Amino acid sequence: DIHMTQSPSLLSASVGDRVTLNCKASQNFDENLAWYQQKLGEAPKLLIYKANNLQTGIPTRFSGSGSATDFTLIISSLQPEDVATYFCQQYYSGNTFGAGTKLELK
Amino acid sequence: EVQLVESGGGLVQPGRSLKLSCAASGFTFSNYYMAWVRQAPKKGLEWVATISTSGSRTYYPDTVKGRFTISRDNAKSTLYLQMNSLKSEDTATYYCVRPPFGVQGFFDFWGQGVMVTVSS
Repeated sequence: DIHMTQSPSLLSASVGDRVTLNCKASQNFDENLAWYQQKLGEAPKLLIYKANNLQTGIPTRFSGSGSATDFTLIISSLQPEDVATYFCQQYYSGNTFGAGTKLELK
Repeated sequence: EVQLVESGGGLVQPGRSLKLSCAASGFTFSNYYMAWVRQAPKKGLEWVATISTSGSRTYYPDTVKGRFTISRDNAKSTLYLQMNSLKSEDTATYYCVRPPFGVQGFFDFWGQGVMVTVSS
């Protein structure tokens, strides 16, 4: 199984900050990676698929990059409504998720 | 608008069974693979099962293989998850999800989730 490691587990940032969330895979794969946002008490929402493709309706301040084993989700200018936990998912071999990064306001 | 509405959750004793349902609307259900993903309390996400468009092919991780059965009724646009021999570690919120590109893929729509608690 491919294991996904997200870092940091907790991130505090201020409104307007550029925020970088990381996801590292235990083995090399192409770009079969997605990012999800989960707000408290809600279901996850798809943000990014195939590493860098923005899902319809998602604000353009969200972007994804990376390949092989290292992937990144960037929020270019943090907004209060972005407070959430973010999960990465590989779908190259089976489906496995990272443990998540909890993003809070400083 | 795509909607996925789960039902059937609740409290169940270890070793017993439970069947979840997911009513889908807003898209042509029979054209899409469907799946279940779960999330244990304050934990991460775990894929549980996927089913092909016709229902002829099903896929499970080892953690539930042999105990859980995914099925669908395309005439009713409804997805099911039959859970047998339940264990305490099956306690989780179960989400009905749509993988737009088949068995190997991300999930573009999620239901609101249904809670399953396995406890004596």
